[in-house]
Amino acid sequence: DAGITQSPRHKVTETGTPVTLRCHQTENHRYMYWYRQDPGHGLRLIHYSYGVKDTDKGEVSDGYSVSRSKTEDFLLTLESATSSQTSVYFCAISDRQGAYNSPLHFGNGTRLTVT
Amino acid sequence: SQQGEEDPQALSIQEGENATMNCSYKTSINNLQWYRQNSGRGLVHLILIRSNEREKHSGRLRVTLDTSKKSSSLLITASRAADTASYFCATDALFNDMRFGAGTRLTVKP
Repeated sequence: DAGITQSPRHKVTETGTPVTLRCHQTENHRYMYWYRQDPGHGLRLIHYSYGVKDTDKGEVSDGYSVSRSKTEDFLLTLESATSSQTSVYFCAISDRQGAYNSPLHFGNGTRLTVT
Repeated sequence: SQQGEEDPQALSIQEGENATMNCSYKTSINNLQWYRQNSGRGLVHLILIRSNEREKHSGRLRVTLDTSKKSSSLLITASRAADTASYFCATDALFNDMRFGAGTRLTVKP
């Protein structure tokens, strides 16, 4: 397995509270991604990063923010969690070069429940 | 929105049989990738096929790509119980991020 660690693995939180999920990689890959997986929707991209302090939005970015202060860490923050953000969150990395996507390597996910 | 759409949503076969899953997409792509996901785990990359390729093999996996029909298929030959998982196709266009389908749930009965 590629060296990707997500923490926590499970979290239950209340509506309105802030939540931060962490992704840590040991592969020194430039690109890092946050996806959410919901039944019937497959994986949807929330945000991604193409370098330290370089991030961009995905298709479902509303309500989420990210930060990348080091190559190895990519944080996903829910500023004020809502029940619609109950999901399984996956971090992925890739050694993408240029315009073409490379295979993604995924962490094992964080199951977040917002009550 | 999803780019790839897998078909069927669920497939149940006996060990030793072949399993075929299909993926259709809407816009022109750079490449198409297939991933496997075991229950409770992250996705694992299986195979990547570029838009100028028509067929690719990896072990018991065979992937075809028909860009004129905007479709791809994943064939798993001589399936095993350990192949039980969900399978996803992912597509991307130049500079675009990969978009995943909702997946095919494959069950291989021993």
